[in-house]
Amino acid sequence: QVQLVQSGAEVRKPGASVKVSCKASGYTFTTYEINWVRQAAGQGLEWMGWMNPHSGNTGYAQKFQGRVAMTRHTSNSTAYMELSSLTSDDTAVYYCARRGGENFYGSGSYGYWGQGALVTVSS
Amino acid sequence: QSVLTQPPSASGTPGQRVTISCSGSSSNIGSNPVNWYQQLPGTAPKLLMYNNSQRPSGVPDRFSGSKSGTSASLAISGLQSEDEADYYCAAWDVRLNGVVFGGGTKLTVL
Repeated sequence: QVQLVQSGAEVRKPGASVKVSCKASGYTFTTYEINWVRQAAGQGLEWMGWMNPHSGNTGYAQKFQGRVAMTRHTSNSTAYMELSSLTSDDTAVYYCARRGGENFYGSGSYGYWGQGALVTVSS
Repeated sequence: QSVLTQPPSASGTPGQRVTISCSGSSSNIGSNPVNWYQQLPGTAPKLLMYNNSQRPSGVPDRFSGSKSGTSASLAISGLQSEDEADYYCAAWDVRLNGVVFGGGTKLTVL
């Protein structure tokens, strides 16, 4: 069964960076794009970007360009999202999500999600 | 302000049919498929509908989706108490070169 297991909660000070991991299992890691979506408390979903685990190619939402980096280690089927220059506005739950499912692969269709990782930015 | 516009709330009684709308533009819904997500409190979103009207395996056929022009809709028939959740629409936006979400609709089962 497909699973995405994320790292635990993190607390950072303003100006710092955070790196969240997402370990995939139950499928061939390099076959499916990993996307990152965040959600502030009581707010909606916000797309951050995508990464192709095979090529390492990435695409980021304009809002995060310059301070987000999505990487991967294929040897252990793990994707990473690092966000720098944190402010209190970055306090949110960060989700990794696998694009596609059993027989579909459209943009924005995420058949599998991690459990989320809470990142708190506070002085 | 979300790129895709959804009503903030919707409600219905058990057994009723409710519809949630999602309005966009030619750069997103007008040119790309719409996906719908259900998010129960404290959990990750779950894909409910992809490619406008296709249900992933395991999603009951009480849920249906449609798209016309730059708008899309999610319908839930035979409303059940466990349907009480937040619902989000999403689509690729060619102008922004990324995925955009609606602001979410909180569905209450009265």
